Amino acid sequence: TQLLEQSPQFLSIQEGENLTVYCNSSSVFSSLQWYRQEPGEGPVLLVTVVTGGEVKKLKRLTFQFGDARKDSSLHITAAQPGDTGLYLCAGPGDNTGKLIFGQGTTLQVKP
Amino acid sequence: KAGVTQTPRYLIKTRGQQVTLSCSPISGHRSVSWYQQTPGQGLQFLFEYFSETQRNKGNFPGRFSGRQFSNSRSEMNVSTLELGDSALYLCASSLDRELTGELFFGEGSRLTVL
Repeated sequence: TQLLEQSPQFLSIQEGENLTVYCNSSSVFSSLQWYRQEPGEGPVLLVTVVTGGEVKKLKRLTFQFGDARKDSSLHITAAQPGDTGLYLCAGPGDNTGKLIFGQGTTLQVKP
Repeated sequence: KAGVTQTPRYLIKTRGQQVTLSCSPISGHRSVSWYQQTPGQGLQFLFEYFSETQRNKGNFPGRFSGRQFSNSRSEMNVSTLELGDSALYLCASSLDRELTGELFFGEGSRLTVL
């Protein structure tokens, strides 16, 4: 069974701090996605990484796909209160029509 | 372009009742997936429909069922509700079944079972 494990589960930081969220698996994934979910909303796609070692930047967010395509990280520089939310990594299950999600990392950025 | 619409947004049921949730995907999207989200389990895959056919099903009991209509709208039904069915039910649509593509989620239907 393919699993995605995220760490940490909860993170509470002050505005301006940097942070990294990790998404790990013992399985190889053809691609990984990161979503952000705000209270009362559904998840919204932030990025898809498909190549081992790939790095993508979205303003203050940097996403990296591990060389072996078993892990990914999300780094936020100078976090802002607007970054508060649930961050989810997700990857396609082998030969299935479903997307497997990690448990999520709840981020709270205090002003 | 309108997003994914889920109805109802909130509902309260009692144990033993049944519930039907509706999802209207983005126009042109043929794939609809359903997920159950709870604080303890995260997002758990329920099923995925493509062109009215259920293509994959998660590890949920037979009380959970769904269907997709010719206009791609989808419904899911939960019969004989249990307390543990309380959750946010999310519907997501995509243009096709390519799993590297983006899933567009609705705001969810929050079900409370008393």
